[in-house]
Amino acid sequence: KNEVEQSPQNLTAQEGEFITINCSYSVGISALHWLQQHPGGGIVSLFMLSSGKKKHGRLIATINIQEKHSSLHITASHPRDSAVYICAVFLRTSGGGADGLTFGKGTHLIIQP
Amino acid sequence: KAGVTQTPRYLIKTRGQQVTLSCSPISGHRSVSWYQQTPGQGLQFLFEYFSETQRNKGNFPGRFSGRQFSNSRSEMNVSTLELGDSALYLCASSLGTSGTQQFFGPGTRLTVL
Repeated sequence: KNEVEQSPQNLTAQEGEFITINCSYSVGISALHWLQQHPGGGIVSLFMLSSGKKKHGRLIATINIQEKHSSLHITASHPRDSAVYICAVFLRTSGGGADGLTFGKGTHLIIQP
Repeated sequence: KAGVTQTPRYLIKTRGQQVTLSCSPISGHRSVSWYQQTPGQGLQFLFEYFSETQRNKGNFPGRFSGRQFSNSRSEMNVSTLELGDSALYLCASSLGTSGTQQFFGPGTRLTVL
């Protein structure tokens, strides 16, 4: 069982729609990343969260530590938002630190004009 | 500030050869992590270096190794290449370790023939 589950795997929407991508994890974490990967491979870190909510432009990320769940929202979506969005977590180690990132499989988002 | 750089960007090798990939972190960042991305397995953590010491290691065979230099630049080496080592290798740098925000390089795409 993958420790990080994302949904949906694929999402196609019309320009302007409100987008939600979900991430659930099964173990304790020290922090959660939302990443964006465009064709060609480059990865951009959108947010790192350990609690609450963060906003940057049209992007909003929330995390609920008790429910082990995070969401990434895109408001007023645009074709340039088309990319793969990846949830990744730092698993909490027995020593209280964190190993490297453990990744979800990603959500392939296509925004049609 | 310049971002994370990786060299080379593309590499073609044959089975049995070895390869060395290089990563230069953002100035001031002391931690470098390496990741492998394949279509089948997705993104997987290889190892993390901080102040020239390997702090964490993922579940990869001993053919995969790395090191970090006093200027925080890092190299990873793969010996006795196998077809399955064909992948995008990404490095990420961060200020600290144990779950601090990571900034990714463009990756090195390795093809093993």
